[in-house]
Amino acid sequence: NAGVTQTPKFRVLKTGQSMTLLCAQDMNHEYMYWYRQDPGMGLRLIHYSVGEGTTAKGEVPDGYNVSRLKKQNFLLGLESAAPSQTSVYFCASSYSFSGVSGGRVTYEQYFGPGTRLTVT
Amino acid sequence: GDSVTQMEGPVTLSEEAFLTINCTYTATGYPSLFWYVQYPGEGLQLLLKATKADDKGSNKGFEATYRKETTSFHLEKGSVQVSDSAVYFCVNTNAGKSTFGDGTTLTVKP
Repeated sequence: NAGVTQTPKFRVLKTGQSMTLLCAQDMNHEYMYWYRQDPGMGLRLIHYSVGEGTTAKGEVPDGYNVSRLKKQNFLLGLESAAPSQTSVYFCASSYSFSGVSGGRVTYEQYFGPGTRLTVT
Repeated sequence: GDSVTQMEGPVTLSEEAFLTINCTYTATGYPSLFWYVQYPGEGLQLLLKATKADDKGSNKGFEATYRKETTSFHLEKGSVQVSDSAVYFCVNTNAGKSTFGDGTTLTVKP
């Protein structure tokens, strides 16, 4: 299994350009996530998906869009890049199971290697 | 909403010293708790986990116990090594969403 892969690994954009980051997982996980990590900070959730065809906003969704047309892929789009979007982007996937109380228990996330994006 | 408060770093220890990194959380319902580790230039890797109260997660000599009464999940290791130098993140996962602490940078000197 390749686990979680991300393409590209590095990218430099000019302000106003657009791009799409691709995340793929081969573990049949329901949940997928996009995070950004800025120096000295933890990860902040941009968008996430709880299943094929569904997406939801996270903590910092502005300036980003996502799509999950296939269960194994989760795309992150920047329509008009800004210098404030310079960051390292991580994709992750996870699965869940039914807990004894009937609720869903989410298991650990598996992370991709990251994409380093610079916007000039 | 849910939150995670993690001990501020950086933390610098000598090899074989005892390590504690404090983590407290707020959450509705019954979250799962995790510690992840990030080595320089790499993505995050799961270090250990606990999915219900009183569970103890352990891996590679690290331990953390899910304490519901104190809403804590402190990371401990009895004897750190230089190879443990990394950034450690405490994570609260609830209803499919995760909240990360800001990370604690650990440097272990020989």
